[in-house]
Amino acid sequence: DIQMTQSPSSLSASVGDRVTITCRASQSVDTYLNWYQHQPGKAPKLLIFAASNLQSGIPSRFSGSGSGAVFTLTISSLQPEDFATYYCQQGYTTSWTFGQGTRVEVK
Amino acid sequence: QVQLVESGGGLVRPGGSLKLSCAASGFIFSDHYMGWIRQAPGKGLELVSYISTESGFTKDADSVRGRVLISRDNAKKSLHLQMDNLRVDDTAVYYCGRLAQAGSHFSFDLWGQGTLVTVSS
Repeated sequence: DIQMTQSPSSLSASVGDRVTITCRASQSVDTYLNWYQHQPGKAPKLLIFAASNLQSGIPSRFSGSGSGAVFTLTISSLQPEDFATYYCQQGYTTSWTFGQGTRVEVK
Repeated sequence: QVQLVESGGGLVRPGGSLKLSCAASGFIFSDHYMGWIRQAPGKGLELVSYISTESGFTKDADSVRGRVLISRDNAKKSLHLQMDNLRVDDTAVYYCGRLAQAGSHFSFDLWGQGTLVTVSS
């Protein structure tokens, strides 16, 4: 299976900060890469699909980029409701795999 | 209302069985691949299994292969996961997810609130 590694595993940030999370695949996944947000006790939420496409209803401060084996999720100006854990997920093979998650905490 | 509601979780002993269900509403269920994703305590998300629109294709994670059976009933707009020979490390919140398709790209665009499965003696 393709291994997905996110960095950092956690970060502390303040409201208004620009936040960048990196996801690396063990082999190329082309642009078959999705990003999700998960808050405790809530259903996960799709943010970005196919590496750079913003899901309907998601604020434009979220953006995704990359192709091949390195991807980034950027939050341009962190808002209070953005403190959560973020996961990347590859859909290149039929054995879809998630990254281990990046927890964004209040500084 | 567009939603997925899971049920069937609970406490089960190692080696036991459990069947999870997911009721869909507010969208054309038969148009979508569907799947199950889990999160063990303190761990990240893990895909468990997914199924195509007419049940012609299924895929299970290596960690559960041979112990789970995913199925769907399009007439009843429901998704199921039969889990047998459960192990302690199957303890997790199990989420039902709807797959959206954009060309050849799939993503889970709708998730349920989850149902907790605890495997313990």
